[in-house]
Amino acid sequence: EVQLVQSGAEVKKPGESLKISCKGSGYSFTSYWIGWVRQMPGKGLEWMGIIYPGDSDTRYSPSFQGQVTISADKSISTAYLQWSSLKASDTAMYYCARSYSSSWYNWFDPWGQGTLVTVSS
Amino acid sequence: SSELTQDPAVSVALGQTVRITCQGDSLRSYYASWYQQKPGQAPVLVIYGKNNRPSGIPDRFSGSSSGNTASLTITGAQAEDEADYYCNSRDSSGNPWVFGGGTKLTVL
Repeated sequence: EVQLVQSGAEVKKPGESLKISCKGSGYSFTSYWIGWVRQMPGKGLEWMGIIYPGDSDTRYSPSFQGQVTISADKSISTAYLQWSSLKASDTAMYYCARSYSSSWYNWFDPWGQGTLVTVSS
Repeated sequence: SSELTQDPAVSVALGQTVRITCQGDSLRSYYASWYQQKPGQAPVLVIYGKNNRPSGIPDRFSGSSSGNTASLTITGAQAEDEADYYCNSRDSSGNPWVFGGGTKLTVL
């Protein structure tokens, strides 16, 4: 069974750093992209960025470039999303998802269960 | 603001057919994928490509595309189909991917 398992919920203070994880299993981790998606409370899905664990090629949405860092450790089939200095506005649910794309279509499947990040003083 | 535009809310009577649309320039040359999200749950892929359903997705879900509009059709909507639906495709401004704003489907 293809599965992505994310790390648990986090409660942090503004200015603190954080790294959350997404561990893949049941497939070749280095053969698919892993994307990260933000969902703020009561809002829609926002694509943040994507990484190809095979060679660490990484792309960011302009909205998130410089705000977060995406990385991966293929030796343990795990992708990461990290912040160096959290803000209250980073409070959201964060999802990872396996991604495939071709010249005509793409998909994100499956999705991790989500990691809730709460930033509050 | 999203480069893919969806109606915020749509309703359908139980057992009837409903179409959820997604508009954007990138859809003229790239198919949309569609995701269902129920409250408190992670999104689930329901349609991708021209009209492909992942394993386990009921055949009442189908996809189509014309010009700059992609559509997700549910034929014979069930109570369990009540959810938020999001389209995803290329971003016409050059970013790899973008999601539509989402459509809340209510089954009456």
